[in-house]
Amino acid sequence: EAQVTQNPRYLITVTGKKLTVTCSQNMNHEYMSWYRQDPGLGLRQIYYSMNVEVTDKGDVPEGYKVSRKEKRNFPLILESPSPNQTSLYFCATGPGRVYGYTFGSGTRLTVV
Amino acid sequence: QKEVEQNSGPLSVPEGAIASLNCTYSDRGSQSFFWYRQYSGKSPELIMSIYSNGDKEDGRFTAQLNKASQYVSLLIRDSQPSDSATYLCAVAAGGKLQFGAGTQVVVTP
Repeated sequence: EAQVTQNPRYLITVTGKKLTVTCSQNMNHEYMSWYRQDPGLGLRQIYYSMNVEVTDKGDVPEGYKVSRKEKRNFPLILESPSPNQTSLYFCATGPGRVYGYTFGSGTRLTVV
Repeated sequence: QKEVEQNSGPLSVPEGAIASLNCTYSDRGSQSFFWYRQYSGKSPELIMSIYSNGDKEDGRFTAQLNKASQYVSLLIRDSQPSDSATYLCAVAAGGKLQFGAGTQVVVTP
C-alpha cells in the first residue's frame, strides 16, 4: 500500500529541546516537502527536496532544518523549538508537479 | 498581498446543486494547479490537477484554468453532504507549492 508515514502524530515539547519529525514514503517519489498549517494562514511550505541531496527553502524556513540522504526519508529538524513553532505539520511527496502530491497524516506539535 | 487568493466562505450549497469555487494567483511563472479537499483534522487530499488552459473533468468535479487571467476554478456538480469540507487551491512553480487559505463548503440537505 502506497504510504506517507509521519511520526510522531502528536508531540508536546519544551522550548529549546531539539526534536525531529520523521517522514517516510514507499512510493519511490523524487519530490518531498514539508508544510505547516496554522489557523487563518493556511498551509505554508517550509522546505522541499527535488531529489536526494538537493533541498531548497520554501516560504517559511526559519528555525527549521531538513536532510535528504536517501529517497524515502525526509526528516524535519527543529534545533531549538520556540512556542511560535506550535503548529500542525504535514509532509508531502509526489512523482512530479503535473501529478500532484500526497500528504502524510500530520504531526501536531506544541512547544511550551 | 497573498500570492494565492480564495474566498474563505463558508459557501453554503443545497444538496444536488453546483458549488463554484474560485482562486487567483499572482506568479505568472506558475506551471501546475491543484485542488485539494481537507476535512477537519485530516490531511489534504488531492481531487484535481490541471496545467493547461481550459477545462478538465473528473466525475462530479471540473477544474478550469485561465493563465492569462491567472484564475483557477473548481465546480462540484450534484453536491453531496460528504462534499462539506475546506477546499484548498494550490499553485506550483518549480519545487515551490503555495496554497490559498481555503474555502469552506457546507452542503445543506
